[in-house]
Amino acid sequence: SAVISQKPSRDICQRGTSLTIQCQVDSQVTMMFWYRQQPGQSLTLIATANQGSEATYESGFVIDKFPISRPNLTFSTLTVSNMSPEDSSIYLCSVEPRVGDTQYFGPGTRLTVL
Amino acid sequence: EDKVVQSPLSLVVHEGDTVTLNCSYEVTNFRSLLWYKQEKKAPTFLFMLTSSGIEKKSGRLSSILDKKELFSILNITATQTGDSAVYLCAVRGGTSYDKVIFGPGTSLSVIP
Repeated sequence: SAVISQKPSRDICQRGTSLTIQCQVDSQVTMMFWYRQQPGQSLTLIATANQGSEATYESGFVIDKFPISRPNLTFSTLTVSNMSPEDSSIYLCSVEPRVGDTQYFGPGTRLTVL
Repeated sequence: EDKVVQSPLSLVVHEGDTVTLNCSYEVTNFRSLLWYKQEKKAPTFLFMLTSSGIEKKSGRLSSILDKKELFSILNITATQTGDSAVYLCAVRGGTSYDKVIFGPGTSLSVIP
């Protein structure tokens, strides 16, 4: 497994602002992912964070709204841009230490947009 | 369209009861099925299943996969209040490329 940290753990933001969430892993991992979990819902994959290249976004998610960086094999950021109350969710970083293996999740960021 | 279905969506039991949670799937290019426990924010990994008929066990929890009938069950025996959580089933696979698809979860409440 891997030890994953995320920050902030929670935040309350105003409509129209942006928030950047950081994900740090204690070892180099090939695959890193960002998920969203809206209230009462299951996990939805936002994108795969690719090291050294642009992220791969799932249907319904775009780079302008959720820009992602992955400068190395242990770190990634997700920005939620121009926020609205509909963006209130838990945002989760996950890693897959070996391709095709189990995914492990970070502690999550609870975002509330007023 | 690839999908993962769980039942029941919620369940309330008394301490000491045994529960069975169900997960069925329709996912092309199936590779593995995963079970997670989510108590607050972060899902914690329970089991990964790749082969039919082989039970995975960890303490009071066990799980088995049937690839012919496309389902899995998660059993919890002698439930405790600490088992109260959302249990997520996820399947790795996909039409165009490999990804993990999550089911809606089963919310389990264990009351004293």
